[in-house]
Amino acid sequence: DQQVKQNSPSLSVQEGRISILNCDYTNSMFDYFLWYKKYPAEGPTFLISISSIKDKNEDGRFTVFLNKSAKHLSLHIVPSQPGDSAVYFCAASAGVDTDKLIFGTGTRLQVFP
Amino acid sequence: DVKVTQSSRYLVKRTGEKVFLECVQDMDHENMFWYRQDPGLGLRLIYFSYDVKMKEKGDIPEGYSVSREKKERFSLILESASTNQTSMYLCASVGAPDRAYGYTFGSGTRLTVV
Repeated sequence: DQQVKQNSPSLSVQEGRISILNCDYTNSMFDYFLWYKKYPAEGPTFLISISSIKDKNEDGRFTVFLNKSAKHLSLHIVPSQPGDSAVYFCAASAGVDTDKLIFGTGTRLQVFP
Repeated sequence: DVKVTQSSRYLVKRTGEKVFLECVQDMDHENMFWYRQDPGLGLRLIYFSYDVKMKEKGDIPEGYSVSREKKERFSLILESASTNQTSMYLCASVGAPDRAYGYTFGSGTRLTVV
């Protein structure tokens, strides 16, 4: 049972345009959401997070939007750069007693010139 | 910066071998995790530990065990390696409470079982 879903396995975007990566979740107890970026042969690196008490969090070119009623979050990258080409994972956790993260299946983003 | 070090980047082992994957973190984090990453399946949690000598099963613990004798070290053990355990293994740690910044991952160990 996949509690965190990324339905698009890949996305291709032109440099300078916006990249939108989507993530859906099923567990209403999730109260913290994170995005990670992963290059080949490296571990994932933390990108941005959002608490369920917010609906938007911004950090430079990266913005995460959370729609709790739809159980949906998205990551916007503006403007996209070739160095953003990587696999992006969304992750979620529930409660304050655990830091156990549940990850999605990932979306491979390719930014072309 | 927190550093999470996995002892091997690439490993090739034979079916039936006992395999040890080592992970060390240098920031006194309480929580450590082992995941495996497979195409189309994302990251799946194998085991995690909240403290020395404590361990809890994740979503796919079958065929694996773990050891945490010291706070900084968390080992993943494949009791009898099988070809379906060929995967990228990722170790992570996080200090409590540090939810805003998530885990710090190691670089991963690409294990091939032949």
